[in-house]
Amino acid sequence: AAGVIQSPRHLIKEKRETATLKCYPIPRHDTVYWYQQGPGQDPQFLISFYEKMQSDKGSIPDRFSAQQFSDYHSELNMSSLELGDSALYFCASSLSGTRSTDTQYFGPGTRLTVL
Amino acid sequence: AQSVSQHNHHVILSEAASLELGCNYSYGGTVNLFWYVQYPGQHLQLLLKYFSGDPLVKGIKGFEAEFIKSKFSFNLRKPSVQWSDTAEYFCAVILLEAGNMLTFGGGTRLMVKP
Repeated sequence: AAGVIQSPRHLIKEKRETATLKCYPIPRHDTVYWYQQGPGQDPQFLISFYEKMQSDKGSIPDRFSAQQFSDYHSELNMSSLELGDSALYFCASSLSGTRSTDTQYFGPGTRLTVL
Repeated sequence: AQSVSQHNHHVILSEAASLELGCNYSYGGTVNLFWYVQYPGQHLQLLLKYFSGDPLVKGIKGFEAEFIKSKFSFNLRKPSVQWSDTAEYFCAVILLEAGNMLTFGGGTRLMVKP
């Protein structure tokens, strides 16, 4: 079965650079969630989109922005990168953002390293 | 603050031993509860979930969890672990009044010795 696709899988950036992470949800899923997992930490919710509109917002820094496109893929844009942004960034998708009972299926993550 | 707590950060068991991982949450409202597993080098996968009904839920790979509302707990159990169960286990909660985002516990790293 098709899964959530994230690209790139690994990314190395310098401080103050920008990065764009991409997430392609499971076909027919209309809701995308972004989570950040720092080294040795649990995943923290950043932001989610349902039907191309922002749905919920968590602890996403102002330097980050995200959007969902008409084909339901989502991009997380990160600017002025800091060392503390080094983390594993997970994307998850679900069938409908209006139902909390829908399972969130996670992608493999993008490992961002900021030097 | 609302939170999810997992009591054990690291657990080491021998094969065939029984497993119980604790999870408590501090939300006062209605919650949906989940256990996810992350095998080494892989992404998070759903083990089981509870929304309503029978508080004892069965998941994949022989795992089960029991929701005890009075104790705000959702402990994960498996009667006999295998080496292939070596992974990190995350308890997670959706607080229905706050949106559909998952709030994760700190994770429990399980190592099963062959």
